Amino acid sequence: AQSVTQLGSHVSVSEGALVLLRCNYSSSVPPYLFWYVQYPNQGLQLLLKYTSAATLVKGINGFEAEFKKSETSFHLTKPSAHMSDAAEYFCAVSPPWGSYIPTFGRGTSLIVHP
Amino acid sequence: DAGVIQSPRHEVTEMGQEVTLRCKPISGHNSLFWYRQTMMRGLELLIYFNNNVPIDDSGMPEDRFSAKMPNASFSTLKIQPSEPRDSAVYFCASKQTSGNTEAFFGQGTRLTVV
Repeated sequence: AQSVTQLGSHVSVSEGALVLLRCNYSSSVPPYLFWYVQYPNQGLQLLLKYTSAATLVKGINGFEAEFKKSETSFHLTKPSAHMSDAAEYFCAVSPPWGSYIPTFGRGTSLIVHP
Repeated sequence: DAGVIQSPRHEVTEMGQEVTLRCKPISGHNSLFWYRQTMMRGLELLIYFNNNVPIDDSGMPEDRFSAKMPNASFSTLKIQPSEPRDSAVYFCASKQTSGNTEAFFGQGTRLTVV
């Protein structure tokens, strides 16, 4: 069984500040990990993914995430927040074999203040 | 490719009526998922198809919900009879059947049952 925990349903930052969105996973085997972003009235779209290559993964819009096996974490960061980053962010985990069904976290709403 | 296409984008119906949501996955993707998103429960997997065959429908809330995938390019989610608690945003997503590939989401159907 696999699961994802996103700490903090809401994260508020000032424009230009560091963004840190936390994701911890539980999986019996090293999984594949994903971050998605959802803008209002839109579907989810992929930001970045970890597929057992480099542990530091760079995505779109300046976001990156680091896979830390010892901490079972895959936190999402961005050095400087923009107003346009305000959205809902979802972490997801997928097993490396079998059904490949992705399991999503509850999501974190990022609020960016001017 | 136009991406995953869902219709309608919005649906308002009266309690007791039948509702049918439609999805056209991305060509070449052989996995299809139906999700429901609500504030209370987040993103819930309802059903997963692989090569047009339902593999996991454990997330379907009750017998009022049914889903079909008659061919590789079309799927439906039907609610009969609908109830106010079914009000939510329903997403369809498709992917290639491989753990390291991401799911692509449609824009969603916002269902309101009055």
